[in-house]
Formats: sequence, C-alpha cells, structure tokens
Amino acid sequence: IVMTQSPATLSVSPGERATLSCRASQRVSSKLAWYQQKPGQAPRLLVYDASTRAAGVPARFGGSGSGTEFTLTISSLQSEDFAVYYCQQYNDWPRTFGQGTKVEFK
Amino acid sequence: EVQLLESGGGLVQPGGSLRLSCAASGFTFSSYAMYWVRQAPGKGLEWVSAISQSGGKIYYTDSVKGRFIISRDNSKNTLYLQMNSLGAEDTAIYYCAKDLSRFLEWLPMDVWGQGTTITVSS
Repeated sequence: IVMTQSPATLSVSPGERATLSCRASQRVSSKLAWYQQKPGQAPRLLVYDASTRAAGVPARFGGSGSGTEFTLTISSLQSEDFAVYYCQQYNDWPRTFGQGTKVEFK
Repeated sequence: EVQLLESGGGLVQPGGSLRLSCAASGFTFSSYAMYWVRQAPGKGLEWVSAISQSGGKIYYTDSVKGRFIISRDNSKNTLYLQMNSLGAEDTAIYYCAKDLSRFLEWLPMDVWGQGTTITVSS
C-alpha cells in the first residue's frame, strides 16, 4: 500500500491552523497513524486508529478520515510543532509510511 | 520508565553482515510485538520488520526479505535484527519500537529507541 502525503512542505505562522493530508492507494479502514519527528529525534506517535490521540498528545492535534483519505489538523500551531509529520498504515503487511510533510515556520 | 536502547551499529563493507540489538526495559517485553524501522540520511521513515510477542509471526518489507532476520529473546528482554548481504541502500539509522497494544492485535508503534546508525561503505 502506497501512502502519499501532501503537501511536501507547509509554511505556517504560529497560532495558525495546519492541515496535512495522507492518501492510501488502497482502503486501510481506520488503521492509520500519524507521527511527529523533530531533527535528531526518534518519531513520536501522535494519533492512531485515524482519530485517537496517543497518551500525552495535546488536544490541538486532531485526526480524521477513513478508507483512503486522512487528515491531521493542528488547530493552533505552537513553536514546538514545527517538525516533519508522517502517516503510516497498519491495515496490511508490509506496513508503509508516507514520505512526510515538513511543517516549517512562515 | 519504558525504554528501548539499540546497539550494534557501525561501519560495514558492502556484502557484510551486522547484528543489531535492542534492549527493552520498563515494560513486560514478552507481551508486546516489536518492530524495526529505518531512516536513510535525509530521507523518510521505512518500516523494516515486525515480530509477534512469541516470535511466531514475522513480517518483512520486500527489500530486506531473504537478507534480514528479526528475532527476540523474551528471557533477555531483547530484540535483534541480523542483517546480511548489506548494500549501500541499507545505510540508515535503525530504530526499534514497541507496539502500542499488549493484546494479540497489531497497532502502531508507541515507544521508539533513539536509533543506531549503520553505514555500508568500502
């Protein structure tokens, strides 16, 4: 299953809303996760089952979608949210990641 | 505190072999499926392999099938990745990660190690 994320880069100002998209080449039900990765760090799980926030993840992170179209929304971007975001499907083997969306400071 | 600590990385010649280890602590290792994920320099994440709690179910991405072997020793709380016939395309940071669920289901990876770097070069 090929995961395609858009856009590749998103330029946002602090306090603004950020919307990241992820499309699967086949239906993955709701078995979709989002990760955040900052430079020099391991990825961090943000959302699983398309819309369930992982433990300790702020409420400004919201996931939606099912089937083949998914969205991660950051309602009001904070300085610590500038990072690369990856989607990953876990409906089928092998698991696959999207290529990532870099959220950068505008 | 839940922790994963990878080791075994380094420089290896093309065609060579290497074994990575991932020492787990702070949780009941035998209750969780485990994973290896890699990231080539400046690139995105690539899922590599998964192993079930008992080791009875194993999965690989196509590019490593027949070359890499994932295994685990629940008595030592350690995950392994034996890598053979290494090529330049295997150069990456290798992360081990645990499954979110301790039940017999597969969920995404909720805890990650800091990674160990493999460089394949002559």
